[in-house]
Amino acid sequence: IAGITQAPTSQILAAGRRMTLRCTQDMRHNAMYWYRQDLGLGLRLIHYSNTAGTTGKGEVPDGYSVSRANTDDFPLTLASAVPSQTSVYFCASSETRTGELFFGEGSRLTVL
Amino acid sequence: AQSVTQLGSHVSVSEGALVLLRCNYSSSVPPYLFWYVQYPNQGLQLLLKYTSAATLVKGINGFEAEFKKSETSFHLTKPSAHMSDAAEYFCAVSDLRGADGLTFGKGTHLIIQP
Repeated sequence: IAGITQAPTSQILAAGRRMTLRCTQDMRHNAMYWYRQDLGLGLRLIHYSNTAGTTGKGEVPDGYSVSRANTDDFPLTLASAVPSQTSVYFCASSETRTGELFFGEGSRLTVL
Repeated sequence: AQSVTQLGSHVSVSEGALVLLRCNYSSSVPPYLFWYVQYPNQGLQLLLKYTSAATLVKGINGFEAEFKKSETSFHLTKPSAHMSDAAEYFCAVSDLRGADGLTFGKGTHLIIQP
């Protein structure tokens, strides 16, 4: 059972470049999320999607965009990367009723 | 709005000793509460969850947590620490809808001394 698959696992990126982090789930969960994890700050929600075709902003959405064309895929795009976006990014999904999240293994992004 | 406070960014215990990781929450509605564990260079794994059933919740790897509404707390405990318990632990809260994701605490790094 794959669960949540994220790609790439690690990437070094020049500032100003565009980058898309991919996330695919095979659990048919309606809700999907993107979090960033930074030392001392825990996990902060960037964007979420309650169902295919809808998205919403989380706590730290600036500089990021998402789309949800279907149930399984939820890519996160950095239109013009900045060094402050250096972080570990986690994609997650949930069955809305319980709120329990299932996480991918993370994508480590370094912006120079 | 909901929030989570984890007391202590680092907790160190001896192998075989009691583990106690503290979590207090703030929520305007009855919450769902979760503890997640993160091992180095891995994603987060659910340890246990409280969803308004029994207030004492048992999870994986011998961990348990007790929901105390009067104290707005959901502390995580384990009677006897193992070296393999060394990891980052996160407490998280959700409202009943769970639709907008979980709000996480800043995490507690558990160190096990031999």
